[in-house]
Amino acid sequence: AQSVTQLGSHVSVSEGALVLLRCNYSSSVPPYLFWYVQYPNQGLQLLLKYTSAATLVKGINGFEAEFKKSETSFHLTKPSAHMSDAAEYFCAVLTGTASKLTFGTGTRLQVTL
Amino acid sequence: GAGVSQSPRYKVAKRGQDVALRCDPISGHVSLFWYQQALGQGPEFLTYFQNEAQLDKSGLPSDRFFAERPEGSVSTLKIQRTQQEDSAVYLCASSLGAPRSDTQYFGPGTRLTVL
Repeated sequence: AQSVTQLGSHVSVSEGALVLLRCNYSSSVPPYLFWYVQYPNQGLQLLLKYTSAATLVKGINGFEAEFKKSETSFHLTKPSAHMSDAAEYFCAVLTGTASKLTFGTGTRLQVTL
Repeated sequence: GAGVSQSPRYKVAKRGQDVALRCDPISGHVSLFWYQQALGQGPEFLTYFQNEAQLDKSGLPSDRFFAERPEGSVSTLKIQRTQQEDSAVYLCASSLGAPRSDTQYFGPGTRLTVL
């Protein structure tokens, strides 16, 4: 079965610092991988997705993620955190003929002054 | 509106009541999904439609849960005889075509509280 694991349920960074949110996947076939962001009382918004093209994927709001097959990882990064980045971030996988996204448990990002 | 809409946004039900949650996908989107998000958890898949056909309902937790999309656009998720464990946010998503290649766009969700 396909799955994703997000390390760290809470991450706190200072404004202007590097953001690193970790995601590892488990899949027997090449996966499609996604990062979504969820603001309070809102639905999920797609940040970026990997669909077997370039391994470094650039998304919205300055976020990017690198697909590393050897490490089965798809970590999300942003060089400089902004207060508006504070939200819940979910990594998800969609594989093979599966029609559904399988989400991780989420990482809550806190940005402090 | 251009996005996925859901109604009601909030629903409080007494245990044992039936509820119906509505999803209006983005116009023209073929695929529609329902997910359940418990407090502090990631969304979990419930069911998937391609047009009016329900192609996957493997995530529905019990036979109390029923979803339909009779005309291939609006969808309704119905929960019969609600239980406290049904309390969650129910998210609807739609995508233009095949889910493998197309982005799923999510609605704001319906927060169901069962007392």
